Amino acid sequence: QKEVEQNSGPLSVPEGAIASLNCTYSDRGSQSFFWYRQYSGKSPELIMSIYSNGDKEDGRFTAQLNKASQYVSLLIRDSQPSDSATYLCAVNPQVDDKIIFGKGTRLHILP
Amino acid sequence: DGGITQSPKYLFRKEGQNVTLSCEQNLNHDAMYWYRQDPGQGLRLIYYSQIVNDFQKGDIAEGYSVSREKKESFPLTVTSAQKNPTAFYLCASTAVWGGRGTQYFGPGTRLTVL
Repeated sequence: QKEVEQNSGPLSVPEGAIASLNCTYSDRGSQSFFWYRQYSGKSPELIMSIYSNGDKEDGRFTAQLNKASQYVSLLIRDSQPSDSATYLCAVNPQVDDKIIFGKGTRLHILP
Repeated sequence: DGGITQSPKYLFRKEGQNVTLSCEQNLNHDAMYWYRQDPGQGLRLIYYSQIVNDFQKGDIAEGYSVSREKKESFPLTVTSAQKNPTAFYLCASTAVWGGRGTQYFGPGTRLTVL
């Protein structure tokens, strides 16, 4: 059974601090990794995708991938109250397979 | 504007009724998906279609049916056999099946059984 694991939270972070969200996956052959943000009552929206080991930065967001440790993380710098949401980690295990979603981590930015 | 539309936004069903949720995309994507999300829970895959005229069961297909007669459309029918259909339903698509395809979501349909 291919799995994607996330801490459900809630993760509380003071405004202006760095929020760190973590995700582990079971299939070592996984190819593609995604972070989605989902506000309450809304659909998920893509924040970042990452395919190679290392860091990928986009504005205040940095995705980090370590395939050897089967670990992917999302850092949010200068956290804002608008960042309060559930963050879903998603993994595409193989070239010809279905994307698997974690259950999400609830992030709460404290004003 | 390219994107995925779902209708209706809210749907109320009486017990014993079949209802159909609409999903349309103008992204020219090959693959389409239906997910169910319950409060505080993750996404569970109901059905997916890799290409027009083909579809496969996901993890929780019982009580649901789909069709894929057109590339841009992937309607989901919730049948009376689905015992607990109240949930948030999400349609998604990717440009091609597998690979590095990014999955994009529609706005969702919230179904409530009265």
